Amino acid sequence: EAGVTQSPTHLIKTRGQQATLRCSPISGHTSVYWYQQALGLGLQFLLWYDEGEERNRGNFPPRFSGRQFPNYSSELNVNALELEDSALYLCASSRPGRQNTGELFFGEGSRLTVL
Amino acid sequence: AQSVAQPEDQVNVAEGNPLTVKCTYSVSGNPYLFWYVQYPNRGLQFLLKYITGDNLVKGSYGFEAEFNKSQTSFHLKKPSALVSDSALYFCAVRDGGSTLGRLYFGRGTQLTVWP
Repeated sequence: EAGVTQSPTHLIKTRGQQATLRCSPISGHTSVYWYQQALGLGLQFLLWYDEGEERNRGNFPPRFSGRQFPNYSSELNVNALELEDSALYLCASSRPGRQNTGELFFGEGSRLTVL
Repeated sequence: AQSVAQPEDQVNVAEGNPLTVKCTYSVSGNPYLFWYVQYPNRGLQFLLKYITGDNLVKGSYGFEAEFNKSQTSFHLKKPSALVSDSALYFCAVRDGGSTLGRLYFGRGTQLTVWP
């Protein structure tokens, strides 16, 4: 089966611009998670979507937002970009409730660079 | 609140020697524990998990981990390290109340195996 796919692989923006990152989960998975991996900061949880609804949100400002579409794919939007938003953004998916075995399946990430 | 500690930023071992990457956790209920590996500029790959049952869990690439409830630890081990094991390793935990929801990650341990 195809894994979690993310696009774009790399994105370069300038301060104040907006960035949109996309994620397609593994077929049959209904939950999507977003994590930020900035240099030296480990993995910071951003958002969790399940069945189209936002279920949980990490400690990030409101300019980080997203949504999940009816086909379970997801977008992460970052408005008013700041230099410290430069990071690898990782998307993960998991199976629906009764089929869920606990682990998350990660994509290869989108590298955002803010100049 | 859930949290994970990986006390070592770096672990260095010689090829052929046993390796241990340490992880301790804190959760309010029963823990679901995970190990992931990340190669440079890649996403996270699932290695193994503990949900319930035998305290010794075997995973991919010859890795295993031992769940110790009294010490709240879940150390990753391998009897004989390979140069190709060099990567960044993350321990993660979720409160066992559900198989859904975010994982809480440690800050990661960089494993270097030298020839």
